[in-house]
Amino acid sequence: GAVVSQHPSRVICKSGTSVKIECRSLDFQATTMFWYRQFPKQSLMLMATSNEGSKATYEQGVEKDKFLINHASLTLSTLTVTSAHPEDSSFYICSATGNTEAFFGQGTRLTVV
Amino acid sequence: QQQVKQSPQSLIVQKGGISIINCAYENTAFDYFPWYQQFPGKGPALLIAIRPDVSEKKEGRFTISFNKSAKQFSLHIMDSQPGDSATYFCAASTTGGFKTIFGAGTRLFVKA
Repeated sequence: GAVVSQHPSRVICKSGTSVKIECRSLDFQATTMFWYRQFPKQSLMLMATSNEGSKATYEQGVEKDKFLINHASLTLSTLTVTSAHPEDSSFYICSATGNTEAFFGQGTRLTVV
Repeated sequence: QQQVKQSPQSLIVQKGGISIINCAYENTAFDYFPWYQQFPGKGPALLIAIRPDVSEKKEGRFTISFNKSAKQFSLHIMDSQPGDSATYFCAASTTGGFKTIFGAGTRLFVKA
């Protein structure tokens, strides 16, 4: 099946710094990618929809200035957590849509200390 | 975002038994209903999916039953194995964009 790669898989950063997470579709072009956040023992909550060449669409309650999304090409979307704080520590997962289904990355564990 | 309701929250099944997880959705625009399996520290992996034009789909030990009029669907895992112990999420999306909304998840533990 199609492969979606996320990088890094784990990152630890200091409070107040910014962290960038990459999501790549390796063998198909994805005009749309989605970003999810998952807290321990909870479900995946959709944060935003990333469209190639246009602004991302954020779900209610998600701060667009804090979670910057860039979808510069058909195979790459990035999520930047700006001025990260300990409460931003979470598992971030992206998905990329092919013609028949959405394919998920392996996730990025962000820990803010 | 709670447009997909999932139960039970947790489930313990004996090896060889049947695991059943239920979901209900609200938005009739949904036309694609996948189930995902997730192990700790990993992203969700597609297990099986169904579209509303059929009432049942079976792949190996996994079966989805779909009731369009009731807006409900369920996952049955036959001959459950310890290796099936994981968190299972039902989900719903539209094939127009695959914006996927997840249920709350069910933590399955299969006792050896």
